Amino acid sequence: DSGVTQTPKHLITATGQRVTLRCSPRSGDLSVYWYQQSLDQGLQFLIQYYNGEERAKGNILERFSAQQFPDLHSELNLSSLELGDSALYFCASSRTGLNTGELFFGEGSRLTVL
Amino acid sequence: AQKITQTQPGMFVQEKEAVTLDCTYDTSDQSYGLFWYKQPSSGEMIFLIYQGSYDEQNATEGRYSLNFQKARKSANLVISASQLGDSAMYFCAMRESRAGGADGLTFGKGTHLIIQP
Repeated sequence: DSGVTQTPKHLITATGQRVTLRCSPRSGDLSVYWYQQSLDQGLQFLIQYYNGEERAKGNILERFSAQQFPDLHSELNLSSLELGDSALYFCASSRTGLNTGELFFGEGSRLTVL
Repeated sequence: AQKITQTQPGMFVQEKEAVTLDCTYDTSDQSYGLFWYKQPSSGEMIFLIYQGSYDEQNATEGRYSLNFQKARKSANLVISASQLGDSAMYFCAMRESRAGGADGLTFGKGTHLIIQP
């Protein structure tokens, strides 16, 4: 158990819909990262938050947004869903500022868009 | 250019043999970290081993060791005495310092390792 909790584990929805994925980081970790894993693109970094503020953006679509709340949990919002958004979405957390620190991953939220 | 290159999309290895999974990386930073993660079919990402760019000795964790060749920018994972449970996807990743304090991991495309009895 990494200590990172993601909900829901599985989600099936239709094109055009909107979903919210939730992540609780490990206790004491201030940084939260979101990754998308699909068969064709591999593991793609989406966005990083640190202590409530956005720190870095990766390959995140404009239809996607995220935030980190004062209690440090984070939500990833995916809207106007398309078939190609079907993927495994990972949240990870870490002690930030250190290249020596591993990222601790949640079990992922598997999104299927029909 | 890719930051992390894993040239072996898939590998078949006999049980109990040693396995080397290749990883090369590209960075202009002096300070960076290299990681290997394992992803079994169940999907979770499991941290295996870490190597810092300033570490002079190769990292080891049980049956895992990292063959770090800094000049060649390679960080190969070696699994000794492979077991059936080692069958999984393996990802090499790098952590660099970036502008604004961003410091996430960049992943390679992975190697699918299958251990055969």
